[in-house]
Amino acid sequence: TQLLEQSPQFLSIQEGENLTVYCNSSSVFSSLQWYRQEPGEGPVLLVTVVTGGEVKKLKRLTFQFGDARKDSSLHITAAQPGDTGLYLCAGERGGGGADGLTFGKGTHLIIQP
Amino acid sequence: ETGVTQTPRHLVMGMTNKKSLKCEQHLGHNAMYWYKQSAKKPLELMFVYNFKEQTENNSVPSRFSPECPNSSHLFLHLHTLQPEDSALYLCASSQGLAGAYGAQYFGPGTRLTVL
Repeated sequence: TQLLEQSPQFLSIQEGENLTVYCNSSSVFSSLQWYRQEPGEGPVLLVTVVTGGEVKKLKRLTFQFGDARKDSSLHITAAQPGDTGLYLCAGERGGGGADGLTFGKGTHLIIQP
Repeated sequence: ETGVTQTPRHLVMGMTNKKSLKCEQHLGHNAMYWYKQSAKKPLELMFVYNFKEQTENNSVPSRFSPECPNSSHLFLHLHTLQPEDSALYLCASSQGLAGAYGAQYFGPGTRLTVL
């Protein structure tokens, strides 16, 4: 069974600070997705990375896919209270399989005003 | 309505009850999914339907019974559940399986409590 480990599990920081959360696995994924989930809602897709070493930016969020496609990181610059939520990474094995997405347990992020 | 909707949003049921969860997607997608989200556990894929046909059943107990009458609607029929089945049940859809699942769009979930 593939496992995606996310760290830290919980993070509470002040508005304006920078942070990085990690998603690691011993398995290779064809692509990796990051979602944000707010209380009472379903996860919302933020980005998909597919190429080893790929970096994608979404405003103050920077996503990186590891060279070996086994890990990923999410860096937030100048965090805002609106960034508060559960950040989930999910990997796809692809290759025509019907295995779906493998999710990590997520990082609970709280940005204090 | 746009996106993926789920009803009811909250459900409390006894272990002998029978209930159904409903999901509807307005995105023109061909694939639909049921996930279970429990505290301190990763999101667990339960069922996958592609063009109304079930393509995945991740060893889910038979007390959960999915139904997909068309590509826009997905149901999860529940009977004789256990307290440990209490969780947030999420529905999702995607354009197609296409080798990899691609971007999935989630509904808001049904918060289920089994007494």
